[in-house]
Amino acid sequence: KQEVTQIPAALSVPEGENLVLNCSFTDSAIYNLQWFRQDPGKGLTSLLLIQSSQREQTSGRLNASLDKSSGRSTLYIAASQPGDSATYLCAVSSNQGGKLIFGQGTELSVKP
Amino acid sequence: DTEVTQTPKHLVMGMTNKKSLKCEQHMGHRAMYWYKQKAKKPPELMFVYSYEKLSINESVPSRFSPECPNSSLLNLHLHALQPEDSALYLCASRVGLLSYNEQFFGPGTRLTVL
Repeated sequence: KQEVTQIPAALSVPEGENLVLNCSFTDSAIYNLQWFRQDPGKGLTSLLLIQSSQREQTSGRLNASLDKSSGRSTLYIAASQPGDSATYLCAVSSNQGGKLIFGQGTELSVKP
Repeated sequence: DTEVTQTPKHLVMGMTNKKSLKCEQHMGHRAMYWYKQKAKKPPELMFVYSYEKLSINESVPSRFSPECPNSSLLNLHLHALQPEDSALYLCASRVGLLSYNEQFFGPGTRLTVL
């Protein structure tokens, strides 16, 4: 059974710092991995999608990497801003109708 | 247009009420999903529709009844809910069931059951 873990559960950093969020999964037979952002009480915003054959994806200040063999992904946020404060969720896609299996999330707070 | 819309944004209902949640997308996606999310927890899959047919039901109680009347619309009918059903209900869509595609989420409906 696929399990997804995110570390740390919460992170507080000063503005301008570069940071890394971690995601690990137990079964390497994934189709892809998706990183989401969720603001309190809101829906999920897709940040990056990495296919199983890819090593990384970039969008602006965000860079996500994937090491399928070791069951790990990282989300790198450069030059963090207070507006980056949110919960970040990673999810892997299984072979069951596109079912996403989520980690518990990392709650990020960027202090001005 | 990469938008999934959900109505209403908030819903308060009693345990004897019948209500419906609505989800709409106009991206031509043929797979649509309902998720339930409790506070401080990740979303949990409830139902998956593919080409307007129910593909996955994650053992959800019958007081939740999904419906997909056309390729753009997904409903969730609610009846005789319990207070523990209070949660954020999220709709999502994807091009198809093949797991290579990005899944897009709506803003959610915040449901409170009294």
